[in-house]
Amino acid sequence: DVKVTQSSRYLVKRTGEKVFLECVQDMDHENMFWYRQDPGLGLRLIYFSYDVKMKEKGDIPEGYSVSREKKERFSLILESASTNQTSMYLCASSFTDRNSYEQYFGPGTRLTVT
Amino acid sequence: DAKTTQPTSMDCAEGRAANLPCNHSTISGNEYVYWYRQIHSQGPQYIIHGLKNNETNEMASLIITEDRKSSTLILPHATLRDTAVYYCIVSYSGGGADGLTFGKGTHLIIQP
Repeated sequence: DVKVTQSSRYLVKRTGEKVFLECVQDMDHENMFWYRQDPGLGLRLIYFSYDVKMKEKGDIPEGYSVSREKKERFSLILESASTNQTSMYLCASSFTDRNSYEQYFGPGTRLTVT
Repeated sequence: DAKTTQPTSMDCAEGRAANLPCNHSTISGNEYVYWYRQIHSQGPQYIIHGLKNNETNEMASLIITEDRKSSTLILPHATLRDTAVYYCIVSYSGGGADGLTFGKGTHLIIQP
């Protein structure tokens, strides 16, 4: 079974702190994604990466950065957390192969910024 | 990506077929229709996808109209574990290589 794991299920941080959210996949997927999910807004893409050290901005990259030093790991960084970044964060991964259609999601990290 | 329209919520009796509609009237010729679901407190899970033809797998069937402006996801024998939010998504990606745009989805409640 494909497994996408996220470092924490719940996280509480203070305004201004630097926050790292880690995601690891074990299926040798080329592509990795970070989304945030808010009530009434659905899932929105923050950043994605199609290869090691490569990154692309999604729909809402402001206030976030990412790092992909190894193929299996994709980190989301909040340089200075703010209360409007309180949200559920979801990581996903997938193959680039055009015959592969599925994105595999992790369980999510619920981040609260106080 | 084209926009989709889904009902906010639906009920279905356990054991019955659940039919979830989706309108995607602005879909372009090379966009796929994907369905994902999200069970409470979990990440989304892929269900099925299609381009023009109807599709079936172990989880569900996907019926796409001939003009491709709408589709229906069918869960043939709904169980309580099928209670979830179901998302209909249209996307150019044939490899899951692009980010997906999730709308608000349909909250399907299976009644015992």
